[in-house]
Amino acid sequence: EPEVTQTPSHQVTQMGQEVILRCVPISNHLYFYWYRQILGQKVEFLVSFYNNEISEKSEIFDDQFSVERPDGSNFTLKIRSTKLEDSAMYFCASSTGQPQHFGDGTRLSIL
Amino acid sequence: DQQVKQNSPSLSVQEGRISILNCDYTNSMFDYFLWYKKYPAEGPTFLISISSIKDKNEDGRFTVFLNKSAKHLSLHIVPSQPGDSAVYFCAASGYLSGNTPLVFGKGTRLSVIA
Repeated sequence: EPEVTQTPSHQVTQMGQEVILRCVPISNHLYFYWYRQILGQKVEFLVSFYNNEISEKSEIFDDQFSVERPDGSNFTLKIRSTKLEDSAMYFCASSTGQPQHFGDGTRLSIL
Repeated sequence: DQQVKQNSPSLSVQEGRISILNCDYTNSMFDYFLWYKKYPAEGPTFLISISSIKDKNEDGRFTVFLNKSAKHLSLHIVPSQPGDSAVYFCAASGYLSGNTPLVFGKGTRLSVIA
């Protein structure tokens, strides 16, 4: 069964550094998303992406965040200058509608 | 801002019995509801969904019930199996089509005891 793949599984970064999280959505999906889950808290929506542009973003998704689909298969989330509070699991998801299908996540640890 | 609430952080059930997981929501604009299951070190896996025009949807051992007037849904697992032990998330969205963000509850950890 096709799946969403995310790399790396764990990323450790110094505060203030840039980080790029990578995702390969399911190949025939048109809608792409990023969510995050801070330890002990809910899974929270960050951003959705369709037709090469952001469709919707949450308050969390500020100017430090950006998304890109650099080619036909990858979907990336960039955090420009990481803060301690960016430490979380970041999940990529894709869909043709509903339901959304999630990857296994990247654990981002900011030191 | 808890638009989707799962008030039971954990639930223990004996193997073979029914597991009932509950979820409440506050936003009347939600019209599509989903349950996801999550194992440690994995992402949420879609389990079952229901649209607001229905009050029940069944898939094998899993049934979701929706009570729109009470803004309440529940997931029933019958019979429960040890492999069902996981965290279950209730999620809601504004409409069935793509691009709509999911709003998640905090999850309920189900333990099925053999």
